Amino acid sequence: GAVVSQHPSRVICKSGTSVKIECRSLDFQATTMFWYRQFPKQSLMLMATSNEGSKATYEQGVEKDKFLINHASLTLSTLTVTSAHPEDSSFYICSARGVVQGGQGDEQYFGPGTRLTVT
Amino acid sequence: KQEVTQIPAALSVPEGENLVLNCSFTDSAIYNLQWFRQDPGKGLTSLLLIQSSQREQTSGRLNASLDKSSGRSTLYIAASQPGDSATYLCAVWSGGGGADGLTFGKGTHLIIQP
Repeated sequence: GAVVSQHPSRVICKSGTSVKIECRSLDFQATTMFWYRQFPKQSLMLMATSNEGSKATYEQGVEKDKFLINHASLTLSTLTVTSAHPEDSSFYICSARGVVQGGQGDEQYFGPGTRLTVT
Repeated sequence: KQEVTQIPAALSVPEGENLVLNCSFTDSAIYNLQWFRQDPGKGLTSLLLIQSSQREQTSGRLNASLDKSSGRSTLYIAASQPGDSATYLCAVWSGGGGADGLTFGKGTHLIIQP
């Protein structure tokens, strides 16, 4: 149990285009989903917190108009990078928080990540 | 603001050795602490989760301890194997009504020499 998927796993796009990344909790309901970004040789940094049916909460320094988050259901959140630029190239990882049978409590379960390259 | 520090940043040891990775955090008001493993270019694999009320958790050759009051955690790896080579990340959840994400350290890059 507690599987989180991300799609796509890898995407290359041209500067100025938009890219959508999906995050799904496959076998549990996620009360909250999170989006992280990881630059090479850096740690993960929280970008935003996404709650089903409400607006996302963005961390300081993250442009909400550039990184659009939609949390349409308890199992799906999407991150859209709008007008992507080369500096947006990064590894984007989502996580989902929920109570899972056999789990220790309100854990976060991570997706496999999406490698975005903007040319 | 919570900050998480991991020491050492990198570690290379011969196969078979026992080793300890360290993690410290500045705000002791945490709900839980997780250790993750990340292979190059890959996502995260959760290794151990310690609730704030717990002192340690064990899984196979891994043992994680938590001293919440001093803001420290250690990950002990027994009888290391080349397959343990990866980056190990420590992360804390400070709560905030359940809506906050995790705060990560920068990781310890571990190499186990065959």
